[in-house]
Amino acid sequence: KNEVEQSPQNLTAQEGEFITINCSYSVGISALHWLQQHPGGGIVSLFMLSSGKKKHGRLIATINIQEKHSSLHITASHPRDSAVYICAVSTGGSNYKLTFGKGTLLTVNP
Amino acid sequence: EAQVTQNPRYLITVTGKKLTVTCSQNMNHEYMSWYRQDPGLGLRQIYYSMNVEVTDKGDVPEGYKVSRKEKRNFPLILESPSPNQTSLYFCASSFRDTIPDTQYFGPGTRLTVL
Repeated sequence: KNEVEQSPQNLTAQEGEFITINCSYSVGISALHWLQQHPGGGIVSLFMLSSGKKKHGRLIATINIQEKHSSLHITASHPRDSAVYICAVSTGGSNYKLTFGKGTLLTVNP
Repeated sequence: EAQVTQNPRYLITVTGKKLTVTCSQNMNHEYMSWYRQDPGLGLRQIYYSMNVEVTDKGDVPEGYKVSRKEKRNFPLILESPSPNQTSLYFCASSFRDTIPDTQYFGPGTRLTVL
């Protein structure tokens, strides 16, 4: 079973700061997902990646397959970025089973 | 609008009273899955379905049943709910079942079992 570790568990930043959230996993994967969950809200998929780097607006996700590590970066953070960010990995060459990290609670203060 | 819907959104029930949480998607997705989210434990997969009449267990299937008789619907059944099934439940779907694909999540169902 894949173990997924996220760090930090909690992160507080000032508006405008550059944010990095890390995710490590223990065995080979077919893809890694970054999800966002606002307080009291649903879950939105931000990225799915199996290699390299993806960018969407102020969000950047990278993955290093050899090191079994991924990072989610937020540039010019804003209070609306405050949410729980969850890393999930799929294994076995399919979408069938997802294993999730416990999430990183990000608070961005104005 | 493309979406995954769940009903009910909130439910308070008593131990042993059978209940069903419905999940429906309008995107013609092949893959659907159920997760529960608990404080300190994060999200865990309960059951998933690769297509109609094809289902399999996730990491925490005990006490739950599912069925996939139609492509769009994937209900979660608790035959005899217990307090340890109090949780926030999410249904999700994605287009393909054979390769990883973006997951679309429902809004969640908060279940309390007394």
